[in-house]
Amino acid sequence: EVQLVESGGGLVKPGGSLRLSCAASGFTFSSYSMNWVRQAPGKGLEWVSSISSSSSYIYYADSVKGRFTISRDNAKNSLYLQMNSLRAEDTAVYYCARASLGCSGGSCYSDWGQGTLVTVSS
Amino acid sequence: SYVLTQPPSVSVAPGQTARITCGGNNIGSKSVHWYQQKPGQAPVLVVYDDSDRPSGIPERFSGSNSGNTATLTISRVEAGDEADYYCQVWDSSSDHPGVFGTGTKVTVL
Repeated sequence: EVQLVESGGGLVKPGGSLRLSCAASGFTFSSYSMNWVRQAPGKGLEWVSSISSSSSYIYYADSVKGRFTISRDNAKNSLYLQMNSLRAEDTAVYYCARASLGCSGGSCYSDWGQGTLVTVSS
Repeated sequence: SYVLTQPPSVSVAPGQTARITCGGNNIGSKSVHWYQQKPGQAPVLVVYDDSDRPSGIPERFSGSNSGNTATLTISRVEAGDEADYYCQVWDSSSDHPGVFGTGTKVTVL
């Protein structure tokens, strides 16, 4: 069974930093692209960042580029999101999502974690 | 950046058909995926590549995509289908290719 478990969320002051982790199990982690998707309270889904299986390709949303860094450790079956210079508008539930090999270009997200809440407030 | 527009809400009686649109410039040239999200839960993929269903998703969920509009159709709507629905594409021509639609709240009357 595929499992994705996020951790690292919490309350942080504006301008602060946080590192999210996503522990993966139940599949060959090194074969899949991985993604971070966030959802502000009461709002819709927002794609944040994607990383290919070997970390060769990395993409960011404009809203986080230059402040967030996605990375992965295939030996540890883990995905990370380093978040710096946090702003109030970064407050959201952050989901880790696995890209599916079954959809075109691996462009859909077949499995999701339960999310971790990040609150940016003074 | 690429924009996907959905109606904020759709209401439907049980047993009827709900249609949720997702508008985007020449979206027919892209693969569209759809997610269902119930309150307090993570999203679930219900349709991928315009019209394919993951295992375990009822046949009542179907999709189509042409021109500037993709559509998710839910037939014989049940109370349990009440949720938010999001379309999504991967805009491979962009530096920030992940795109979600604005989301549609489906209410079962």
